[in-house]
Amino acid sequence: DGGITQSPKYLFRKEGQNVTLSCEQNLNHDAMYWYRQDPGQGLRLIYYSQIVNDFQKGDIAEGYSVSREKKESFPLTVTSAQKNPTAFYLCACGSGSTDTQYFGPGTRLTVL
Amino acid sequence: GQNIDQPTEMTATEGAIVQINCTYQTSGFNGLFWYQQHAGEAPTFLSYNVLDGLEEKGRFSSFLSRSKGYSYLLLKELQMKDSASYLCAAPFGSGYNKLIFGAGTRLAVHP
Repeated sequence: DGGITQSPKYLFRKEGQNVTLSCEQNLNHDAMYWYRQDPGQGLRLIYYSQIVNDFQKGDIAEGYSVSREKKESFPLTVTSAQKNPTAFYLCACGSGSTDTQYFGPGTRLTVL
Repeated sequence: GQNIDQPTEMTATEGAIVQINCTYQTSGFNGLFWYQQHAGEAPTFLSYNVLDGLEEKGRFSSFLSRSKGYSYLLLKELQMKDSASYLCAAPFGSGYNKLIFGAGTRLAVHP
């Protein structure tokens, strides 16, 4: 059963703590993306990766870090440097270029 | 620069037809996507237009005019389950490997 998964669905963290959000896909897609969604705003690109061991900053990369050690996995770390981390985080994958992006179910992060 | 505009909210009646507009400004153009997103869930792909004209897929159709920088999503025979946000998105960047999204249009369908 092919797809893209994210875990956990809900995540709470205390201020000052780093937290890592998981994203796994078995669609054999080369490209993976992380977006942040805030109420009333569109999806904003945090980081993206087109191939293993390579990734690029998106529009709002400050306070975030990623790795792409395997084709199937693209974890996102929200660091304590991110000033306003409470948001809905969406991971997506695609074949790159203008191919359709397929989204995971999302992780809702709340900083207490 | 890149910019996508959509109305923030729309309301419609069950069984009716609604048109959701999207205007875009991108440096270069390589098609336009429409996604549907129910509250708290992931966006799901609806359509991708790269040529001018109307493409129909069941109750949903999408239109593109490249010369006007304009697209719309047409939803017919509205059902309550169509209540969702509808996101317009355009590829951009080197190799058009990134998407810029509009803020989304929240559609409420009433009985």
